[in-house]
Amino acid sequence: EVQLLESGGGLVQPGGSLRLSCGASGFTFSSVGMTWVRQAPGKGLEWVSTISATGENTYYADSVKGRFTISRDNSKNTLFLRMNSLRAEETAVYYCAKDMLHFANWGQGTLVTVSS
Amino acid sequence: EIVLTQSPATLSLSPGERATLSCRASQSINSDLVWYQQKLGQAPRLLVYGASNTATGIPARFSGSGSGTDFTLTISNLEPEDFAVYYCQQRGTWPLTFGGGTKVEIK
Repeated sequence: EVQLLESGGGLVQPGGSLRLSCGASGFTFSSVGMTWVRQAPGKGLEWVSTISATGENTYYADSVKGRFTISRDNSKNTLFLRMNSLRAEETAVYYCAKDMLHFANWGQGTLVTVSS
Repeated sequence: EIVLTQSPATLSLSPGERATLSCRASQSINSDLVWYQQKLGQAPRLLVYGASNTATGIPARFSGSGSGTDFTLTISNLEPEDFAVYYCQQRGTWPLTFGGGTKVEIK
């Protein structure tokens, strides 16, 4: 059974940084691209970033390019999202999802709150 | 960036009725359209990919159709557990984008 477990969310001040993690199990992590999607409270889904299986290729939404970095450690079956210069409007639940283009498996999400 | 417009924003129906949800793309995405269901407090659930391919474990009452710019998700006979928010997503071009969602509520 595929399992994805996000962690690292919390309260951070505007302009601050946070690193999210997503631990994966139940599939061959090193063979699969991975994605982050976020959802602001009461709002819709927003794609954030995707990384290929080897980590060689990364993709970002324009709204986070230059501030967020997606990475992975295939030896530890873990996906990361480093978020810098966070803004209040980036308060959201951040989900990790398996695959690069559409997502059959999602984690339960981790809440990031950007507020002073 | 491809913009996906979902309509209606809210659909009020009774159990047993047929739901028809629309998703329109700002330019052609061939059949690279995906549908998800999301219930309150839960992660999204994949329903349909490739515009018309039902995902594993999804009941037969869910079906997707369309190509190019106009797509439809049909729920043929609404069950109580189908009342939720539905999102479309295009997977044909970076950046990936989602529609704004359609809420299917009990009338």
